[in-house]
Amino acid sequence: AQKITQTQPGMFVQEKEAVTLDCTYDTSDPSYGLFWYKQPSSGEMIFLIYQGSYDQQNATEGRYSLNFQKARKSANLVISASQLGDSAMYFCAMREVRGTSYGKLTFGQGTILTVHP
Amino acid sequence: NAGVTQTPKFRVLKTGQSMTLLCAQDMNHEYMYWYRQDPGMGLRLIHYSVGEGTTAKGEVPDGYNVSRLKKQNFLLGLESAAPSQTSVYFCATSRGGLHTGELFFGEGSRLTVL
Repeated sequence: AQKITQTQPGMFVQEKEAVTLDCTYDTSDPSYGLFWYKQPSSGEMIFLIYQGSYDQQNATEGRYSLNFQKARKSANLVISASQLGDSAMYFCAMREVRGTSYGKLTFGQGTILTVHP
Repeated sequence: NAGVTQTPKFRVLKTGQSMTLLCAQDMNHEYMYWYRQDPGMGLRLIHYSVGEGTTAKGEVPDGYNVSRLKKQNFLLGLESAAPSQTSVYFCATSRGGLHTGELFFGEGSRLTVL
């Protein structure tokens, strides 16, 4: 069974600084995908970034990058130049890429990020 | 372009009452999912559907039923609500297939069972 662990219940960062949100995962499947979602206080779930297990390079999307270390089974989210609007809950999620997974995501517990001015 | 729409957004029930949450999507996605979100537990999959007329159990299916009579709609039912079902419920969709991409979520429905 796959499992996602986010060990940081809360993180604080100063505006304009970079922050890393940790995510470790466990799966026996060789093919899988890793996702990060943002949930602001308004409650909606916003997709941020995706990394495939066979991707050679770390994924990047604007100020978001995914530090993928396959051997350590970690998929940390790095937010550069933090902004006040980055304050939110962040979820790491994983999907096994096989016919019977049907796109289901398994989520971690989430990390609340607070950006201070 | 509404995307994924959930109704109602808020509901308060008494223990033992029944209700149905409706998820409607206009993206022509094959797969649909119902998750619940509880503090400290992330999102957990209740039921999902891989196409019209199909449903399957997720991680926490007990106390819930689902139906997908039309491709665009996925209904989540609580036959006899319990306080443990107090939660925020999210519907999500995805394109389907082996490389199905990210999930697209509705805005959530907050349910309180007294």
